Amino acid sequence: EVQLVESGGALVQPGGSLRLSCAASGFTFSSYWMHWVRQAPGKGLVWVSRINSDGTSTRYADSVKGRFTISRDNAKNTLYLQMNSLRADDTAVYYCARDMGIAMDYWGQGTLVTVSS
Amino acid sequence: QSVLTQPPSVSAAPGQKVTISCSGSSSNIGNNYVSWYQQLPGTAPKLLIYDNNKRPSGIPDRFSGSKSGTSATLGITGLQTGDEAEYYCGTWDSSLSANWVFGGGTKLTVL
Repeated sequence: EVQLVESGGALVQPGGSLRLSCAASGFTFSSYWMHWVRQAPGKGLVWVSRINSDGTSTRYADSVKGRFTISRDNAKNTLYLQMNSLRADDTAVYYCARDMGIAMDYWGQGTLVTVSS
Repeated sequence: QSVLTQPPSVSAAPGQKVTISCSGSSSNIGNNYVSWYQQLPGTAPKLLIYDNNKRPSGIPDRFSGSKSGTSATLGITGLQTGDEAEYYCGTWDSSLSANWVFGGGTKLTVL
């Protein structure tokens, strides 16, 4: 069974940093591109970042470019999102999702990041 | 403002049919596959339709998808109260940013 389990969400002050993790199981993690998608309270889904299967190619939404870094450890079956210079508008539930090539076919349960003083 | 445009809400009675539209451009819907996601209250999104009109295993055939030009449509027949959810369309955008884009979401109310 495919499982994606996010962790690392927390309350953090503006300007602070946080690293999210997404532990994958039930499939060959190293064969799939992966995404981070976020959802602010009461708002819609917003794509954040994606990484290819071997970690050599990444893309970011303009809103997080230069502040967030996506990475992966295929030996540990884990996806990461390093978030720096956090702002109040980064407050959201962050989901990791598997890319099947033309859609995101499996999603984690999400982890909440709150940026507030 | 989302790159893909969806109506904020739709509603219909149990047993009826509803359609949800998703409008984009040649850089996204026009030249890429569309997928649809269902998000029940308090839960993570779930893939409903991929490749414009294909259903993953376990998704009932009450759900259907279509695409024409730069627009896509999700159809739901035989509405059930359990279908009340937020629905999102999504696709790649082939512009310079080469990013994934979502619609703003449509809240389905089954009256």
